Amino acid sequence: GDSVTQMEGPVTLSEEAFLTINCTYTATGYPSLFWYVQYPGEGLQLLLKATKADDKGSNKGFEATYRKETTSFHLEKGSVQVSDSAVYFCASNSGGGADGLTFGKGTHLIIQP
Amino acid sequence: NAGVMQNPRHLVRRRGQEARLRCSPMKGHSHVYWYRQLPEEGLKFMVYLQKENIIDESGMPKERFSAEFPKEGPSILRIQQVVRGDSAAYFCASSSTGGLYYEQYFGPGTRLTVT
Repeated sequence: GDSVTQMEGPVTLSEEAFLTINCTYTATGYPSLFWYVQYPGEGLQLLLKATKADDKGSNKGFEATYRKETTSFHLEKGSVQVSDSAVYFCASNSGGGADGLTFGKGTHLIIQP
Repeated sequence: NAGVMQNPRHLVRRRGQEARLRCSPMKGHSHVYWYRQLPEEGLKFMVYLQKENIIDESGMPKERFSAEFPKEGPSILRIQQVVRGDSAAYFCASSSTGGLYYEQYFGPGTRLTVT
């Protein structure tokens, strides 16, 4: 079955630092890939997505590129803010009639002023 | 446009009781998904439903758990005879269309505590 692996946290950065959160996947076929963000006590919010190889998803200064050759979908942001502190989840969906998302374990990001 | 709604937000049950979790999808969405999040873990898919049909329940425990999405009203996740290991956050998501290209929108979750 599908699986998603993302870097362990917590990741602690200073404000305005560059952010990378690694994510790799294994899947049959060509899944769609997603990044979700979860703030304390809340549900998940979609941050960005990509549905085919070489697609770049972007939103709120975050970017991720679907790399089929390395089966990766790393999340990046050029300059993080304290308000970006949250848990970030990478997810895949291979579809095929079973449309449940497969999630990584999440990466807790802490941004210090 | 209201998002996905779940209630209750917090639910406390004693071992052996039943838990009923409700989910109202976003307006216009007819596809509902349930996920469970154990402490320090990612979300695990449980079940995918459309109105009056279970499409995929491959992630549901075989016993004590059931789900429905009736023609009228919210989707219900039911856990009978709860045990401490059922303590988790349960999230519902909805989408307008099934398939791998369409994003799922999540509710705020129900946090179940079994004492």
